[in-house]
Amino acid sequence: GQNIDQPTEMTATEGAIVQINCTYQTSGFNGLFWYQQHAGEAPTFLSYNVLDGLEEKGRFSSFLSRSKGYSYLLLKELQMKDSASYLCVKNTGGFKTIFGAGTRLFVKA
Amino acid sequence: GAVVSQHPSWVICKSGTSVKIECRSLDFQATTMFWYRQFPKQSLMLMATSNEGSKATYEQGVEKDKFLINHASLTLSTLTVTSAHPEDSSFYICSAIEGVRGNQPQHFGDGTRLSIL
Repeated sequence: GQNIDQPTEMTATEGAIVQINCTYQTSGFNGLFWYQQHAGEAPTFLSYNVLDGLEEKGRFSSFLSRSKGYSYLLLKELQMKDSASYLCVKNTGGFKTIFGAGTRLFVKA
Repeated sequence: GAVVSQHPSWVICKSGTSVKIECRSLDFQATTMFWYRQFPKQSLMLMATSNEGSKATYEQGVEKDKFLINHASLTLSTLTVTSAHPEDSSFYICSAIEGVRGNQPQHFGDGTRLSIL
């Protein structure tokens, strides 16, 4: 199948660092998106990785290993507003994408 | 940045009513738009891919006659839920891609919460 696996929930403390992992089947891979979705709202784009390595964008970084079918989203200096679901999304070619179930992150004071 | 407007935000109506949801790209042309459905605490489920000037491509299990999609222009796609029933109650989200390359991020509308009584 085309399962995308990511943890269901994570909890972290304000100011800390959290890493959200995502694994996927390597076949039919063209790129990997990360989106943030607050409850009751639409997703917003965070990052897109096509090549191996780490891409940093402010407090958020995204890593990709194509050979391992593995990606992670790293959030630094956590803020309360970072409490949201984080969606790992695989681009399978053209406009085709597969969404993971999302990881609900709870940031506590 | 690319903005997608979705309207209405909330709809509450009686069973048997048809409901139309609009998705507009405000500052870019969207050759391709997507319609998703999301249940509480679940991820987005793609319903259909909408291409300007042609018939939408529906995902397996999505009834074409139930969920009518029209993509009449490069900035507007509509989803009509025909003869809606309580089981159609859900959060519907549209998205659009700017340009023609598949590696572009999707820009999402704010979603429509549909409640059928």
